[in-house]
Amino acid sequence: ILNVEQSPQSLHVQEGDSTNFTCSFPSSNFYALHWYRWETAKSPEALFVMTLNGDEKKKGRISATLNTKEGYSYLYIKGSQPEDSATYLCAFNLHDKIIFGKGTRLHILP
Amino acid sequence: SQTIHQWPATLVQPVGSPLSLECTVEGTSNPNLYWYRQAAGRGLQLLFYSVGIGQISSEVPQNLSASRPQDRQFILSSKKLLLSDSGFYLCAWRPQPTGELFFGEGSRLTVL
Repeated sequence: ILNVEQSPQSLHVQEGDSTNFTCSFPSSNFYALHWYRWETAKSPEALFVMTLNGDEKKKGRISATLNTKEGYSYLYIKGSQPEDSATYLCAFNLHDKIIFGKGTRLHILP
Repeated sequence: SQTIHQWPATLVQPVGSPLSLECTVEGTSNPNLYWYRQAAGRGLQLLFYSVGIGQISSEVPQNLSASRPQDRQFILSSKKLLLSDSGFYLCAWRPQPTGELFFGEGSRLTVL
């Protein structure tokens, strides 16, 4: 059974502060690791798809790192803004199968 | 450009009634197609995926089934709904063989 774990489950961050959260996944048979942002009343949208160990990707104030040998990825948000409030999902890609974690619910406090 | 549509957006059904959710992708060919469900308080659970017409992989044995009668059409069905089938259903596609998922608008099913 593929297990994708995300922590913390929920997070409250003051506007302007930086934050990060974790995704852990099986370290064997790795194909790719996805990060998605899911805002209320919308559908999930991809942030990053990462395939190489040591990979680091950045999109604006959001960045992610990948360690396939130990099976974890970090998502970082720098200088949190109200529009960052959302659920952040990671997904483990094993060939054609894509398994999601339960997500980290991020609340930005004004 | 590619688009994905799923319908209906909202559905209220009695226990024991049938279900049909439909998903269509436009602007691409031979996509991988996926059905996910988010039950209350839970994450996105993979239900079915398909890499081609008539090819369905089931992840969760239950009273749901999926079919892919055409290249860009993916249908989720049930003959008899259970209370536990309530949830938010998302269809998604991605270009083969790799890449990110693109999600439809979602269908909220309430079984009473």
